[in-house]
Amino acid sequence: ILNVEQSPQSLHVQEGDSTNFTCSFPSSNFYALHWYRWETAKSPEALFVMTLNGDEKKKGRISATLNTKEGYSYLYIKGSQPEDSATYLCAFIGTNAGKSTFGDGTTLTVKP
Amino acid sequence: GAVVSQHPSRVICKSGTSVKIECRSLDFQATTMFWYRQFPKQSLMLMATSNEGSKATYEQGVEKDKFLINHASLTLSTLTVTSAHPEDSSFYICSELSGGGSYNEQFFGPGTRLTVL
Repeated sequence: ILNVEQSPQSLHVQEGDSTNFTCSFPSSNFYALHWYRWETAKSPEALFVMTLNGDEKKKGRISATLNTKEGYSYLYIKGSQPEDSATYLCAFIGTNAGKSTFGDGTTLTVKP
Repeated sequence: GAVVSQHPSRVICKSGTSVKIECRSLDFQATTMFWYRQFPKQSLMLMATSNEGSKATYEQGVEKDKFLINHASLTLSTLTVTSAHPEDSSFYICSELSGGGSYNEQFFGPGTRLTVL
């Protein structure tokens, strides 16, 4: 059983605050790491697909980094807005199975 | 990205009945779809991989006779929970695998909340 952990489990911040959360995963047999954003009553949608050690991806105010050697990825949100409120999931894909193993998610609430 | 619909979004049924959940790919031919379930405050757990035109591949611990999966066309996969019991109450969500070169990126449906009384 692969161990994919996300922390913190939940986060409450004020509008304008910057925040970050962590996804840790096995450091061996790495193929890819995905970040998904899941708003209530909607479908999870892909944010980033990360494949190479040292990858940094950015989409607007959201960015992510990847360290495959130590097995972690950070997701950063700069200047959080209420519309950023969602659950952020990471999914690890290993070379040996090809299936996604999800973390429990970090639920972000941004207060106006 | 691809658009995936799921129906119904919510279902309440009596113990012993069977419930069918549909997962449709609206703009993409999906040869591979996944079915997940999620218990409260837990992660998405893969139940099975649904392959168009062939039998589904079930994860360890998932009863294939309990959770029947059919993927008869490139745009539709169905999950039937047979003789549902209260312990089957959960959130079920499907996804399709995106095309080549995407490192197994998935497009998800909105999910189905099943409550068995």
